[in-house]
Amino acid sequence: EVQLVESGGGLIQPGESLRLSCAASGFTVSGNYMSWVRQAPGKGLEWVSIIYSAGDTYYADSVKGRFTISRDNSKNTVYLQMKSLRAEDTAVYYCTKGYSLSHDAFDIWGQGTMVTVSS
Amino acid sequence: QSALTQPRSVSGSPGQSVTISCTGTSSDVGGYNYVSWYQQHPSKAPKLMIYDVSKRPSGVPDRFSGSKSGNTASLTISGLQAEDEADYYCCSYAGTYTRVFGTGTKVTVL
Repeated sequence: EVQLVESGGGLIQPGESLRLSCAASGFTVSGNYMSWVRQAPGKGLEWVSIIYSAGDTYYADSVKGRFTISRDNSKNTVYLQMKSLRAEDTAVYYCTKGYSLSHDAFDIWGQGTMVTVSS
Repeated sequence: QSALTQPRSVSGSPGQSVTISCTGTSSDVGGYNYVSWYQQHPSKAPKLMIYDVSKRPSGVPDRFSGSKSGNTASLTISGLQAEDEADYYCCSYAGTYTRVFGTGTKVTVL
């Protein structure tokens, strides 16, 4: 079964760091483009970051310089390292798999992991 | 990277059709044929409904259709059913490997 399971969320103070993990099963993360999308409480979806199969990475302006996406092919896992966290980073973070039939769509989503930035 | 503009809500009776608009600019919706639509039920993860403006993934009912004209994309739900009540988000490629989501639309089945 094709599945994504996120972990690593929690309550953290402003300015601190956190790393989210996304374990994939049923496909290889190295063979697909993978992305993180977040959703603040009661708000809409916001694209955060993407890593392509070739390894190139891109970020939304709101997180550029603070967040880093990476993957470990041996663990079939994608990560999102978050630094200098702010209150406005509070959200459910979803890991997504790129749809193979499209240049830009996401067909598999994890259940999400909640990140709360508060003192 | 401003969010694409969607109506806050649309509603319709069972069996009717509703259309959700998604307005961007020539730098996103108008510039690429990479618009996708997602359905999200409360406390659930989003689900891909339409990709590349008008294509449906396997398993998505043909009641869902997508189109685009200029800087505005649209999602139409024909033969509205109770289970279609959810939030819907559009998403467009915006160049330089970024993408932008819409503000979201709540569909209510009366």
